[in-house]
Amino acid sequence: GQNIDQPTEMTATEGAIVQINCTYQTSGFNGLFWYQQHAGEAPTFLSYNVLDGLEEKGRFSSFLSRSKGYSYLLLKELQMKDSASYLCAGVSGGYNKLIFGAGTRLAVHP
Amino acid sequence: DVKVTQSSRYLVKRTGEKVFLECVQDMDHENMFWYRQDPGLGLRLIYFSYDVKMKEKGDIPEGYSVSREKKERFSLILESASTNQTSMYLCATATRLERVTGELFFGEGSRLTVL
Repeated sequence: GQNIDQPTEMTATEGAIVQINCTYQTSGFNGLFWYQQHAGEAPTFLSYNVLDGLEEKGRFSSFLSRSKGYSYLLLKELQMKDSASYLCAGVSGGYNKLIFGAGTRLAVHP
Repeated sequence: DVKVTQSSRYLVKRTGEKVFLECVQDMDHENMFWYRQDPGLGLRLIYFSYDVKMKEKGDIPEGYSVSREKKERFSLILESASTNQTSMYLCATATRLERVTGELFFGEGSRLTVL
C-alpha cells in the first residue's frame, strides 16, 4: 500500500514554532501536498513539494525528502487561528490522485 | 474563485434508502473526486473522474457508484445506504492532471447520517 503517517495530535504555544512531520512509502508518490482544515470546514491548500528541499510561503514552510519518504510542515509565529487539522497528501503516480494521511490536529494555546 | 457546491450539508437517511449526493463546480475542471472523511482515518478516495462519462474506482468504492453526465456535475450514489456509510462526504475538483497534479478544491462537505 501507500501509507502516509503523521502524528494524531500536537499542542503548541502562541508565538512559537511547530513542526508537523509526515512519512510515507517512497514508491509511487510524485509529490506531496499539505492542506489545512478547520473544524467543520473543507480542507484548503497550503503547499506542494515535488522536488527535494524547503518551500517557504510566509509563516508556513514545507520540506520534502523523496529518498527518505519524509516531509514536514513548519509553522512559525503561531497564532490562535492556526488551531486546525493539517493533512499530508501524497500524489499517487498511477493516476495522479491524492492519498491522504489521517491528519494532525494542532491546538495552539495562549 | 473556484466554487464547488455540494447539494446538501446535512442528510439523515434510513438503512436501505437510495442516497444521491450532488457536486457541481463552476471552473471547468476536468477532474472530480469523491472522498469520505472519518475520525482517525482521514480522507479516503471513493471514486474519481477525469472526463464526462468516465469514472475510476478509488480505494473504497464498495457500496457506492458515481455518475458524470456533464462536465460540471459529479454525483455519488449509495444504492442501499448502510449505517457504516455514516460519514462526512467531500467532493473535490482539480485541473487536468499531467506530470504534476494541480491542487484540489473542496466543497463544504455533506454530513450523512444513516439510521
